Amino acid sequence: NAGVTQTPKFQVLKTGQSMTLQCAQDMNHNSMYWYRQDPGMGLRLIYYSASEGTTDKGEVPNGYNVSRLNKREFSLRLESAAPSQTSVYFCASSLGLVLETQYFGPGTRLLVL
Amino acid sequence: GEDVEQSLFLSVREGDSSVINCTYTDSSSTYLYWYKQEPGAGLQLLTYIFSNMDMKQDQRLTVLLNKKDKHLSLRIADTQTGDSAIYFCAENGAGNTGKLIFGQGTTLQVKP
Repeated sequence: NAGVTQTPKFQVLKTGQSMTLQCAQDMNHNSMYWYRQDPGMGLRLIYYSASEGTTDKGEVPNGYNVSRLNKREFSLRLESAAPSQTSVYFCASSLGLVLETQYFGPGTRLLVL
Repeated sequence: GEDVEQSLFLSVREGDSSVINCTYTDSSSTYLYWYKQEPGAGLQLLTYIFSNMDMKQDQRLTVLLNKKDKHLSLRIADTQTGDSAIYFCAENGAGNTGKLIFGQGTTLQVKP
């Protein structure tokens, strides 16, 4: 099992460009999450999907959209990138939403110029 | 509101014990977690403790929970250079909705 995979590993964007970060898991998990990690701030939840077909906002959703394409895949889209979105983005998944351990992908490093 | 606080940096000598501390605010959290992040990698679950426990031991790792003071600690015995990483504590927050609240992370530096 690959666990949680993310693509790309690294991306540079210009302000105003759009892009989609991809995430897939092969653990048959129901719930998936997107976090961003900024220095000195830990991880903050952007969006999550409790199960296929549902998505909900987390702590910092502004400027992002998500799609739960199927049970395996959960993508994060930046429609018009801003320098404030320079960060490391982590996808995670868990068997269920409640009281289940989250497993993390390796991260995508995004630089917005 | 929900908040998790950690000290930012800890330096120890190889072979010593390391103690990483964390305080949290949400007393309704059911689980508290410790994650490890090595350079350039994602987060790896190290261990977790259920809120009705005071202590959990797993090989070199000991987790202590003081629920009255909302204080969580991770002790690493016989710290090795491979333990150098960032350690995050996290709580599952109010309502057990699956939203983990993370601390800022403690960078552990192990000197040979």
